[in-house]
Amino acid sequence: DVKVTQSSRYLVKRTGEKVFLECVQDMDHENMFWYRQDPGLGLRLIYFSYDVKMKEKGDIPEGYSVSREKKERFSLILESASTNQTSMYLCASSSRREAGANVLTFGAGSRLTVL
Amino acid sequence: DAKTTQPPSMDCAEGRAANLPCNHSTISGNEYVYWYRQIHSQGPQYIIHGLKNNETNEMASLIITEDRKSSTLILPHATLRDTAVYYCIVSSYSNSGYALNFGKGTSLLVTP
Repeated sequence: DVKVTQSSRYLVKRTGEKVFLECVQDMDHENMFWYRQDPGLGLRLIYFSYDVKMKEKGDIPEGYSVSREKKERFSLILESASTNQTSMYLCASSSRREAGANVLTFGAGSRLTVL
Repeated sequence: DAKTTQPPSMDCAEGRAANLPCNHSTISGNEYVYWYRQIHSQGPQYIIHGLKNNETNEMASLIITEDRKSSTLILPHATLRDTAVYYCIVSSYSNSGYALNFGKGTSLLVTP
C-alpha cells in the first residue's frame, strides 16, 4: 500500500559528494514536494513541482536542485554536500484537483548524514 | 495564510478521547483548516480538513467553532499508536499545495 517511495531510508555521505535523493509516487499526482525537517525548525520546503519539467523554489532552495523528467518521479540533488545539509528529507505529493492540492501524501523520509 | 496556535504538548489516557485544540483567530473566509500528524521517524500523515462544518472520517472528527477562530481535533478512543505530533494548518486552496506551513504542532502522548 506504499504510495510515495523514497529510495533510501538512511544515507551517509562525505562533504563535497554529489547526492541524489529519489522519490516515486504511484497516485498520478501532479504536485510533488521536497521538505527537510530539523529539530526545532519543523518542516521547511526546499522545492516543489506542479508538472513534469516544472520546478519552483520553496523557502530554502540554496544548495539544492531538483529534476522532474517523469510525472511519477521527483529527484532532489545536492551538488556538493555540506555538513549543514545533514537532515531528514521528506518527499510528498498531492493532486491538483480542487480539494486535493493541500492533502499531501508523504514518504517515509530519508535521513542523510554528511560527514 | 493565517497563523495557528497549538499547545506544545498534551497527555491522554489510552481509550479516552483526545481533544487537541487549535487557535486560528485570523482565519479568512476562503481558508480551510487541515490536520496532519507525524509519528516518530515517519513522514507526516494527513488526517482531516474542513471549512466551517464539522467533519468526521475514520480517523478523527474536526469541530470548527461558528466564528471559525478555533477548532478541535478529536480522536474518540486514543490508542498508544496515536502518540505523535499533531499539526493544525490553515490554508486557502491552491492548485500547487505550496501554502502549507507545518509549524511546531502539539506533541500528544497517549499513556497506558
